[in-house]
Amino acid sequence: SQQGEEDPQALSIQEGENATMNCSYKTSINNLQWYRQNSGRGLVHLILIRSNEREKHSGRLRVTLDTSKKSSSLLITASRAADTASYFCATDANNAGNMLTFGGGTRLMVKP
Amino acid sequence: SQTIHQWPATLVQPVGSPLSLECTVEGTSNPNLYWYRQAAGRGLQLLFYSVGIGQISSEVPQNLSASRPQDRQFILSSKKLLLSDSGFYLCAWSVPPEGEGIQYFGAGTRLSVL
Repeated sequence: SQQGEEDPQALSIQEGENATMNCSYKTSINNLQWYRQNSGRGLVHLILIRSNEREKHSGRLRVTLDTSKKSSSLLITASRAADTASYFCATDANNAGNMLTFGGGTRLMVKP
Repeated sequence: SQTIHQWPATLVQPVGSPLSLECTVEGTSNPNLYWYRQAAGRGLQLLFYSVGIGQISSEVPQNLSASRPQDRQFILSSKKLLLSDSGFYLCAWSVPPEGEGIQYFGAGTRLSVL
């Protein structure tokens, strides 16, 4: 079953606006990661936040983690048409094989 | 630098035919390897993972099997494909433990079973 669940499932915004995606999970984690997938392509790792961190930045990306609520958010600021993609959260629960559990994803469309 | 190769990119197979998808990783040693399936518009479902040569763990009982004959080679197989095997198959690798579980994905294989 999917541990991470993204919200919303789809998001459409204008270029220049900010995009916020949320992820909820169920079990304790070592870290939470966000990935991006362009249509028909493989996933690309964007950012990782450890369980003892609350906020992390990378370029136009800002990730927050609230372990008490078992939730995370990904903020993309000043979005561009090239940001159009699906975004997935994934949790690493320190299991054998470093398995990740992926959410269902948020499909982001940025209109020029 | 590390790279991952996955082929073919697209595959159309009749029901009941065999399947072999191959994934190879370059530039790293003893990686963890993973096979995922993704239904259209959905998240990833982990099918198999491997922590070493000949070591395969199955997450979902199904019509598929996996093998790791070499350190950086991971193969997904089926003896007889079903319609329900259609989907987008992704191979990935990670480097434990220093990689913190970050996974690097191949470009994927879109399988259509007709």
